[in-house]
Amino acid sequence: GIQVEQSPPDLILQEGANSTLRCNFSDSVNNLQWFHQNPWGQLINLFYIPSGTKQNGRLSATTVATERYSLLYISSSQTTDSGVYFCAVDYSGGYQKVTFGIGTKLQVIP
Amino acid sequence: DAGVTQSPTHLIKTRGQHVTLRCSPISGHKSVSWYQQVLGQGPQFIFQYYEKEERGRGNFPDRFSARQFPNYSSELNVNALLLGDSALYLCASSLADSPQETQYFGPGTRLLVL
Repeated sequence: GIQVEQSPPDLILQEGANSTLRCNFSDSVNNLQWFHQNPWGQLINLFYIPSGTKQNGRLSATTVATERYSLLYISSSQTTDSGVYFCAVDYSGGYQKVTFGIGTKLQVIP
Repeated sequence: DAGVTQSPTHLIKTRGQHVTLRCSPISGHKSVSWYQQVLGQGPQFIFQYYEKEERGRGNFPDRFSARQFPNYSSELNVNALLLGDSALYLCASSLADSPQETQYFGPGTRLLVL
């Protein structure tokens, strides 16, 4: 099956700092999503981004499908950004079968 | 509109027992998927159902089964529970059965097997 690698595994930021999270995947994908999982376990969609660049407030994401990677940028980080960020890809031919990376655990300290 | 809902929120079972977890998708969504998330790992795909039919299955033993009802809600059943089945079980729904559809996740059911 497809391999999804995320880096770094852990990240500690001072409030206000910027960061870049990376997701590498081993095969062509139909879909790529970034999720934020809060400390209570809720997974929140951040971006659906199989290719190109999107921005939503302080967050933006870029996927370069031909080179099989995606980047999530967090600017001016806030304590509420803490949690685990997952990259998830769907590579199946006929149905949804999403493969998640292991995640990047982000802690933003005041 | 309500998001994806799951019940119960927490559950404690003992080894060998059976458990049923329930999921109600977002109104209008016809596809439901189930994931298992063990502590410290990313969610792992278990099943996908669309229009009451199983469309995909992950690498899980036959002790795991699921079904989807005419109202598109779904149940995940796990028989002969093992300690290793302790996890957060997540349900996700989407409008259609396409890899291009965004999946929306419920809050999960935390299962502890003693």
